[in-house]
Amino acid sequence: ETGVTQSPTHLIKTRGQQVTLRCSSQSGHNTVSWYQQALGQGPQFIFQYYREEENGRGNFPPRFSGLQFPNYSSELNVNALELDDSALYLCASSPAGGQQETQYFGPGTRLLVL
Amino acid sequence: RKEVEQDPGPFNVPEGATVAFNCTYSNSASQSFFWYRQDCRKEPKLLMSVYSSGNEDGRFTAQLNRASQYISLLIRDSKLSDSATYLCVVTGGGSNYKLTFGKGTLLTVNP
Repeated sequence: ETGVTQSPTHLIKTRGQQVTLRCSSQSGHNTVSWYQQALGQGPQFIFQYYREEENGRGNFPPRFSGLQFPNYSSELNVNALELDDSALYLCASSPAGGQQETQYFGPGTRLLVL
Repeated sequence: RKEVEQDPGPFNVPEGATVAFNCTYSNSASQSFFWYRQDCRKEPKLLMSVYSSGNEDGRFTAQLNRASQYISLLIRDSKLSDSATYLCVVTGGGSNYKLTFGKGTLLTVNP
């Protein structure tokens, strides 16, 4: 196990609703990245947080937003949910220092938008 | 052109077979290269990093050709437990070290 936890494990929402997904990073890791994995696709980078600041963003609209807290845990918020937002949302944490590219994934949250 | 492209698969092989996965990437500035493995309905897990000199871990061998922007993974003597989706991953450089994934190739090893 990586020590990265995510909640909830599964979630069902309807179009137009808002959702908050949570991630606790592995002890000692100060960087958290979020990815969206649609069925049959590889994970797509949403954004990364480093020491509570956004440190890069992928090609996702502004209704995808995030936060990182002083304990380095993180939230992903999605507003105005669309059917295409149905996916596995993965959180990955990285160690402090230069090894940021070694990312350890949590088990993910499966979101279904009806 | 997609940033990372992999063999579409799926691959179905008997136990003991050798199977090769191929991957190309479009960003010549890519700095680091990996193979991840993802079991059904699970998260991706790092299988191995890929270096220009090539690297081997037991039955697994990875190769990188920067000039051709090509990455490969070879699995020898495949086991039932090797059945999974194999994801080719590159980092794009810069400060955020985002991972860029290929679509993945599904491998099923049959008894």
